[in-house]
Amino acid sequence: DSGVTQTPKHLITATGQRVTLRCSPRSGDLSVYWYQQSLDQGLQFLIQYYNGEERAKGNILERFSAQQFPDLHSELNLSSLELGDSALYFCASSVPLGGGQETQYFGPGTRLLVL
Amino acid sequence: GNSVTQMEGPVTLSEEAFLTINCTYTATGYPSLFWYVQYPGEGLQLLLKATKADDKGSNKGFEATYRKETTSFHLEKGSVQVSDSAVYFCALSDSRDTGFQKLVFGTGTRLLVSP
Repeated sequence: DSGVTQTPKHLITATGQRVTLRCSPRSGDLSVYWYQQSLDQGLQFLIQYYNGEERAKGNILERFSAQQFPDLHSELNLSSLELGDSALYFCASSVPLGGGQETQYFGPGTRLLVL
Repeated sequence: GNSVTQMEGPVTLSEEAFLTINCTYTATGYPSLFWYVQYPGEGLQLLLKATKADDKGSNKGFEATYRKETTSFHLEKGSVQVSDSAVYFCALSDSRDTGFQKLVFGTGTRLLVSP
């Protein structure tokens, strides 16, 4: 158990819908990273929040957005869903360290199926 | 851009066989290197890491050495067990900034160990 929790574990929805994925980081971790794992694209970085502020963006679609709340939990919002959005979505958290020493701890993931 | 290349799987071995999973990388700057493991139905777990050239990361009998001259970080284990069956991901982070360390992953290599 990494200490990172994600809810829900599974989500089935229809095209055009909107969903929210939730992530609670390990106690004390200020950074939250979101990744998408799909069969065709592999594991890709989506977005990072650090102490409530957006820090970095990767291959995140405009239909997707995220935020980090004062208690440091984070939510990933996916809207106007398409079949191709079906994937496993991971969040990871870390304590900010410099010099390449930072280690990310991953949650169990949310499996999204868009029908 | 930064990238990680892993050997194609699946790798199929008998119990107690020697394991090597190749990983090479392309990066600007001076990356940190990681191996993560994903067991069936679970999230990613950090297996080992190395943050500078010639560092050897090790955990649970697995080892990998950061080779800057060959830009490689091959994963090895002297004697695999059935319980090692999983997907192994090589990853890099090219930032040494505090609080910013997005990971770039390889495509993953599935390991199947039979009794």
